[in-house]
Amino acid sequence: DAKTTQPNSMESNEEEPVHLPCNHSTISGTDYIHWYRQLPSQGPEYVIHGLTSNVNNRMASLAIAEDRKSSTLILHRATLRDAAVYYCILRDDNFNKFYFGSGTKLNVKP
Amino acid sequence: ETGVTQTPRHLVMGMTNKKSLKCEQHLGHNAMYWYKQSAKKPLELMFVYSLEERVENNSVPSRFSPECPNSSHLFLHLHTLQPEDSALYLCASSQDGTGYEQYFGPGTRLTVT
Repeated sequence: DAKTTQPNSMESNEEEPVHLPCNHSTISGTDYIHWYRQLPSQGPEYVIHGLTSNVNNRMASLAIAEDRKSSTLILHRATLRDAAVYYCILRDDNFNKFYFGSGTKLNVKP
Repeated sequence: ETGVTQTPRHLVMGMTNKKSLKCEQHLGHNAMYWYKQSAKKPLELMFVYSLEERVENNSVPSRFSPECPNSSHLFLHLHTLQPEDSALYLCASSQDGTGYEQYFGPGTRLTVT
């Protein structure tokens, strides 16, 4: 019962921007879009979240489509430390519906 | 200690054993969570505690028993587990029970033999 769809893997060169896509065509009006990442041998780490407007923080930017059926996590300059599995998650008003998908494994090449 | 810590980091137990996983958060948060991460499945939310009250139990088998004695500590008591319960068990905390900006611990790698 996945609510988000992400590519299994992506590759990027160091110091180049990375755009990680996520499709969530069944999103409801009250679902927030969250992104977490999980570095090897670590627990997930919060990256960013948003509802309708694009969001920026020190780690990344989140671009949300106007119809909210898709979003893109943008890493402006990838570093080797950004190699991780990136999860796009929807959270609705019922907290127990906090779906982690399979994520995108990002490989960053030097 | 900072952030969210979990002990032990690795645990091997037989199906008839009883063991407990411990989680401690040093962030002053009011909500804590247990997740299960299996090799071939997405991360699954198991339990949520907010202000020491259990607010979510996502159809988890009774062989997993959580305990939250205070807002800084969370335990997961395990008994008569099955081999399919082998997984990485992750603890997280957040400021409140809404689930925003959760901080995760490193996890306990559990192997049931």
